[in-house]
Formats: sequence, C-alpha cells, structure tokens
Amino acid sequence: GNSVTQMEGPVTLSEEAFLTINCTYTATGYPSLFWYVQYPGEGLQLLLKATKADDKGSNKGFEATYRKETTSFHLEKGSVQVSDSAVYFCALSVYGNKLVFGAGTILRVKS
Amino acid sequence: DAGVIQSPRHEVTEMGQEVTLRCKPISGHNSLFWYRQTMMRGLELLIYFNNNVPIDDSGMPEDRFSAKMPNASFSTLKIQPSEPRDSAVYFCASSLGVQETQYFGPGTRLLVL
Repeated sequence: GNSVTQMEGPVTLSEEAFLTINCTYTATGYPSLFWYVQYPGEGLQLLLKATKADDKGSNKGFEATYRKETTSFHLEKGSVQVSDSAVYFCALSVYGNKLVFGAGTILRVKS
Repeated sequence: DAGVIQSPRHEVTEMGQEVTLRCKPISGHNSLFWYRQTMMRGLELLIYFNNNVPIDDSGMPEDRFSAKMPNASFSTLKIQPSEPRDSAVYFCASSLGVQETQYFGPGTRLLVL
C-alpha cells in the first residue's frame, strides 16, 4: 500500500537555525509528493510539491527534492523564523488515488 | 475565489444532540474530502466524494456519522447522536481530481459536552 513516514516531533529550533524534517514513503506506482503546513488555528495549506524524480519543490524559503532512489522527500529551510512555527505534513498521491498524509511534525521556533 | 467555506466555525453541543457540519467546495473542484483532527489520533480521512458520489467511507467511525453531497457546491457531515469523543476539528477539503492538490477549509471546531 501507500504510506508516508515522518520524523517525530516536536522539533524545537532557535531562530535562523537550519531545518530538516525527514519524510520517507512507500508507494505502489509513481507518486507525486507534497508538503503541507498547518499554522495554529487554521486548515492545512500546500507548501510545495514535486511530481517526478529529482524535481525540487520550493516555496517561502522551504525546499524538498524528490529522491526516488531513497524514497525520500525531506523538507529543508536554511534559516527558520518564529513565524515558521507550525505543523508540517508530508503526503503522497498515486494517480487515481487520494492523498495519503504522514502523521505531521510540530516545529517550534524560539526567538 | 473564496476558498473552501465551512460552517459553523465553532459548535458546542450536548451529548445526544444532532450536529450538522457544512462545506462549500471551491467552484469547479469535483473531489471533496472530510477529515477529523484530534491530538490523540492526528488527521483522519473520514470520507471522500468524486463528482458528488461517495467513493470511500471506510474512515467513518460508526453509523452515527453520515455524509451527503447533494450537488457539486455543497456537502454535509452529520453526527447523530453526538458523543463527547466526537469532539475534534473537522476539516473539509476539495480538489480538481482525487489525486490533485487538496485545498482545506478553516475547519469546524466541535465540542460535545
């Protein structure tokens, strides 16, 4: 089946630190990969996505590269801000099937 | 576009009462999803529709939960009778297709006393 595994949180960083949130997947077929972000009190919103191997999705300083050989889609940001504090969800979809979400990783950034 | 619209935003009710949550998807989207989010269980997919037809309701917890989509612009999730363990944030999301990017509404925060 299709599944996503994320690193457990919470992840606590100081402002301007480097961020990595690990995400690995298993899929039957060739998936598209997504990162969603949920800010406090809000719904999930798409942060970035990649649809084929070696593609890099990027948005708001966040990046993730679709690595087929390691079945990974790790989220990175070079310098986090307090405003990046949120829950981050990795997700995948295979053609014709609904999105499958990971459990989510809480990020806390301290000033 | 206004995005996915959910109502009410907050609902407080007593155990045993009927609760109806409403969702208006983004115009032109043909897939609609209902999720429940709690601290203990995280984000759970309850049911989803494609072209107004329920495709997978395996996530619906029990017969107390039902969902309908009478037309392309409206869906309801009903809980009857409600129980305290139903307290959660319920999200509706829509997309152009089942596997496409989902756009989430702001959620309905339900508290059953």
